[in-house]
Amino acid sequence: ETGVTQTPRHLVMGMTNKKSLKCEQHLGHNAMYWYKQSAKKPLELMFVYNFKEQTENNSVPSRFSPECPNSSHLFLHLHTLQPEDSALYLCASSQDMGVSGNTIYFGEGSWLTVV
Amino acid sequence: AQKVTQAQTEISVVEKEDVTLDCVYETRDTTYYLFWYKQPPSGELVFLIRRNSFDEQNEISGRYSWNFQKSTSSFNFTITASQVVDSAVYFCALIGSPAGRRALTFGSGTRLQVQP
Repeated sequence: ETGVTQTPRHLVMGMTNKKSLKCEQHLGHNAMYWYKQSAKKPLELMFVYNFKEQTENNSVPSRFSPECPNSSHLFLHLHTLQPEDSALYLCASSQDMGVSGNTIYFGEGSWLTVV
Repeated sequence: AQKVTQAQTEISVVEKEDVTLDCVYETRDTTYYLFWYKQPPSGELVFLIRRNSFDEQNEISGRYSWNFQKSTSSFNFTITASQVVDSAVYFCALIGSPAGRRALTFGSGTRLQVQP
């Protein structure tokens, strides 16, 4: 069992659909992240939450909407996506953004295909 | 600005060969941390090692070893006696210490294929 779990593992959605990706961490961490990994680009940081507060939004389009109800859960709400948004979305967590050099632990990712 | 360069896009070796994955980094921070992650086909990024900029000791963990050289800004990863299960994409990453640069900067990854 991994410390960071993501559901669903695979998602196919139409451009007019609304769906959500869920992430849960069992490590007692206080910082959570969303990363995007597509075939043509390196890993891109999307959002960072520290103690449930969003600390970074890396110029992500508004069709991606994160939600962090508590330190253990992170959601990524998706609506009116484009085919180029098809990618692997990785959730991650670390102890605390206030401490330098914390190791970031990743989940298995959610493979998203937009048709 | 921070940057991580993994010049080797793909490496193919035969089982039991040794292989070294190169990582060169750039940062203006005096304190920083370097990481290696393994990404098998399933997608999960598996943490392998974390090294801070003040610790230049090389590290060995089983068949894995890491060579950190600040003089050349390199943090290379060697797999000894490679196995098919080592086939994956390997990422080198960097994080600086000061506020505002706490997100990991990843290299583009090196795909390692180990043939039986």
